[in-house]
Amino acid sequence: QSMLTQPPSVSAAPGQKVTISCSGSSSNIGSHYVNWIQQLPGTAPKLLIYENDKRPSGIPDRFSGSKSGTSATLDITGVQTGDEADYYCLTWDNSVNAGGFGGGTKVTVL
Amino acid sequence: QVQLQQSGPGLVKPSETLSLTCAISGDSVSSNIVTWNWIRQSPSRGLEWLGRTYYRSKWYNDYAVSVRGRIAVTPDTSKNQVSLHLNSVTPEDTGVYYCVRDGEWWFGLDYWGQGTLVTVSS
Repeated sequence: QSMLTQPPSVSAAPGQKVTISCSGSSSNIGSHYVNWIQQLPGTAPKLLIYENDKRPSGIPDRFSGSKSGTSATLDITGVQTGDEADYYCLTWDNSVNAGGFGGGTKVTVL
Repeated sequence: QVQLQQSGPGLVKPSETLSLTCAISGDSVSSNIVTWNWIRQSPSRGLEWLGRTYYRSKWYNDYAVSVRGRIAVTPDTSKNQVSLHLNSVTPEDTGVYYCVRDGEWWFGLDYWGQGTLVTVSS
């Protein structure tokens, strides 16, 4: 079982908005930043969002993150076929003093 | 530009020790602003953070509960590399293992090694 809970899959038509949720607890999301990782098919994972809502250089502003309480959200506005990937949330947990990922969400662009 | 080059065997027998090495270029294993992490991925477990080492006047380690007691992440300052040792492996430890730098941002896993597929089988 993953530390954080994500929906297994979401889908949308090109140009629509995709929202991925990540649910945790007071000892992890409630106490720390949340980061998001993107893994395109057949490639190594890549940092997509850090510290809840910041984008590394080169990440399009179609990708945005937010956090409220013990949950976080990744939004992809104007989703493209090239955004088909697995997305993972990531944070730290004070109760076990360890990092942890969500189970991952597969985004399909119809 | 930071580069992480992983090496190690792709096949390990059950009950033996899995050992992987990550050679670091473009940064220092002894940097006091980064951490060096090992993460694995399998179809059944998704991405799993395993552990890390970092230097802040002395060396520290943190490990995932799932592997605590079987894992060691160790730096080698003479070779500027970091190693993963996981003992008493079972087929459940099969997966792709990544060496990952946590750099300038909070838990910002910004540089990833190429990944090493490790199969635990007799």
